Amino acid sequence: QKEVEQNSGPLSVPEGAIASLNCTYSDRGSQSFFWYRQYSGKSPELIMSIYSNGDKEDGRFTAQLNKASQYVSLLIRDSQPSDSATYLCAFRSNDYKLSFGAGTTVTVRA
Amino acid sequence: EAGVAQSPRYKIIEKRQSVAFWCNPISGHATLYWYQQILGQGPKLLIQFQNNGVVDDSQLPKDRFSAERLKGVDSTLKIQPAKLEDSAVYLCASSFSAEAFFGQGTRLTVV
Repeated sequence: QKEVEQNSGPLSVPEGAIASLNCTYSDRGSQSFFWYRQYSGKSPELIMSIYSNGDKEDGRFTAQLNKASQYVSLLIRDSQPSDSATYLCAFRSNDYKLSFGAGTTVTVRA
Repeated sequence: EAGVAQSPRYKIIEKRQSVAFWCNPISGHATLYWYQQILGQGPKLLIQFQNNGVVDDSQLPKDRFSAERLKGVDSTLKIQPAKLEDSAVYLCASSFSAEAFFGQGTRLTVV
């Protein structure tokens, strides 16, 4: 079983719509969860961190964490063409190892 | 605050040659990671340092890859000898607490 599973892409959404990204993880002891954005040819950029159950909002981004279901999601509201990128889910386990999913590629259609 | 610095940005070598990558983490960041990212895949952890001690190197191909972090600051990752399948982007990241920040990466092409 892979440590981090992300919903397979690519995901194409029209401009102004909501993009929904999902991620499940296997390590129940994980405490820290992250979403990174990676533009083509660039390195990953941290966009959201979430540590407790519930929702965390930052601008047009909302991260949701459910530790009981081992599930974390990212919503991008009012999607813009500049949001077109690959989104990587990551979690930090109790041994401080930082593991990444394969990523979901999002394309926002103008 | 300066970010994570990596060099070189690009490297092309022939198979069986050796190559080294350098990383300078954000000042004060005790944790340093080296990742390998093959096109179309997520980053794969090769080695993780806490100060100058190794925390995890379970996915480092130790027959050809080596890494060190002297004095708990800069780090080098070496491949010797390189294989065609080592063609990838090598990413260095550092963290102070939980959040990790990446350098620009080194794109390696093995021909």
